[in-house]
Amino acid sequence: EAQVTQNPRYLITVTGKKLTVTCSQNMNHEYMSWYRQDPGLGLRQIYYSMNVEVTDKGDVPEGYKVSRKEKRNFPLILESPSPNQTSLYFCASSLFGPDSDTQYFGPGTRLTVL
Amino acid sequence: LAKTTQPISMDSYEGQEVNITCSHNNIATNDYITWYQQFPSQGPRFIIQGYKTKVTNEVASLFIPADRKSSTLSLPRVSLSDTAVYYCLVGDGNDMRFGAGTRLTVKP
Repeated sequence: EAQVTQNPRYLITVTGKKLTVTCSQNMNHEYMSWYRQDPGLGLRQIYYSMNVEVTDKGDVPEGYKVSRKEKRNFPLILESPSPNQTSLYFCASSLFGPDSDTQYFGPGTRLTVL
Repeated sequence: LAKTTQPISMDSYEGQEVNITCSHNNIATNDYITWYQQFPSQGPRFIIQGYKTKVTNEVASLFIPADRKSSTLSLPRVSLSDTAVYYCLVGDGNDMRFGAGTRLTVKP
């Protein structure tokens, strides 16, 4: 089954404790991206990746890192999480790029930073 | 980057046709128009995509006028399960931006 998976689905952590949210897709998609969703602000793009070893900033990259060492995985890293990073996070992938391709979204990761 | 504007919310009743319009005055020549549906605590789900004129699939139709400065998502005979937020996206390279979306509430 074609899908995007994220782990963990729920995470409660404390300020400053490094964490990684994993994202994996099994569709051999070149394009992957991370979004955060906050009430009243909709979905905002954090980072995206056109292909292996190619990443770029989205609208709200501050406080986040990503890596794309292999095609199927695109982890989101919070080196020193802060309470303002409490949010619902979605990973997405598409074959080439979102402007002409369907994006497939993962189930979401709800992160709480205390 | 093409900005999109949609109504914040809409109400409808079961069995009615719902039309949600999105304006995108600065759409670029190569941009596609894509609509997504999102239920609470779930990732957005692709509904339909088009470039010009009309596109229809098993769940919706998308109408795009010749100037492409707007688009209308049409949902035929909505049911309670169509209650969701609907997003219109217009592509500009790889930096895709979701607007606030339109919250559709379908009533019995």
